[in-house]
Amino acid sequence: EVQLVQSGAEVKKPGESLRISCKGSGYSFTNYWISWVRQMPGKGLEWMGRIDPSDSYTNYSPSFQGHVTFSADKSIITAYLQWTSLKASDTAMYYCARRITGNKRDYFDYWGQGTLVTVSS
Amino acid sequence: DIQMTQSPPSLSASVGDRVTITCRASQTISRYLNWYQQTPGKAPKLLIYTASSLQNGVPSRFSGSGSGTDFTLTISSLQPEDFATYYCQQSYSTPQTFGQGTKLEIK
Repeated sequence: EVQLVQSGAEVKKPGESLRISCKGSGYSFTNYWISWVRQMPGKGLEWMGRIDPSDSYTNYSPSFQGHVTFSADKSIITAYLQWTSLKASDTAMYYCARRITGNKRDYFDYWGQGTLVTVSS
Repeated sequence: DIQMTQSPPSLSASVGDRVTITCRASQTISRYLNWYQQTPGKAPKLLIYTASSLQNGVPSRFSGSGSGTDFTLTISSLQPEDFATYYCQQSYSTPQTFGQGTKLEIK
C-alpha cells in the first residue's frame, strides 16, 4: 500500500528554523517526484514546488523560491521541507504529494496527511 | 502564471441532485487539468486527472470534461459524502496552480 506519512505538528517562533518530513512507503521512492503544497488557514491550495528523490533535482514556485528548501534522503525514503527563518505568515498546513507524470499526465495520486506549522511569538 | 478560476465559489444542493462545477484557465492548458476533493481536516483526494480520466476507486457518478481553457466537473447524483470542497489544478506549466475552490454544501 502506497503511503506518505508526514511528521507531526510544530509550533515555532518567528526567526526559528524548521524541517518537516514526508516518508514514502509501498512504492519505489526514487521513481516518483514529491511535490509540496501549502494551505493557509481557511484558504486554498498552493503549489510550492517539487523534488525528484532520485537525484534531488528541484523546481520551486517563484512565490516560495529562496524561502524554503526541498531535500530528500533516498536511503530512508524521506523528503523534507525546510525553513531557515520562519515568519508568522508561514503558519499553514503543508502537504506532500506523489507526482504521476508521463504519457501526457501530470497529477498527484497520493497525499500525506499534512503537517500543521504554527509560527507565533 | 496561469490563473485558474472556479465557479461557483460555493454551491448548495441536495442529496440526489446533479451538480456541475466549472474551471477556466487564463490560457490554454490542453487537457492538463485535474480535480481534487477535500473534506474538512483531511488531505485532498484525487478524483479526475487529465480532464476526464476517473481515478481508481472513485465512484462513477463523478465525471470530468473539457480541454483548452474550459473544464467541468459533474457529480451525477449527490451523495452525503460528496459535500466537500473541490479544487481544479493545472499541471500544464510551472508554477502549477489551483483554482480557489468550490465549497459544496447541503441545502
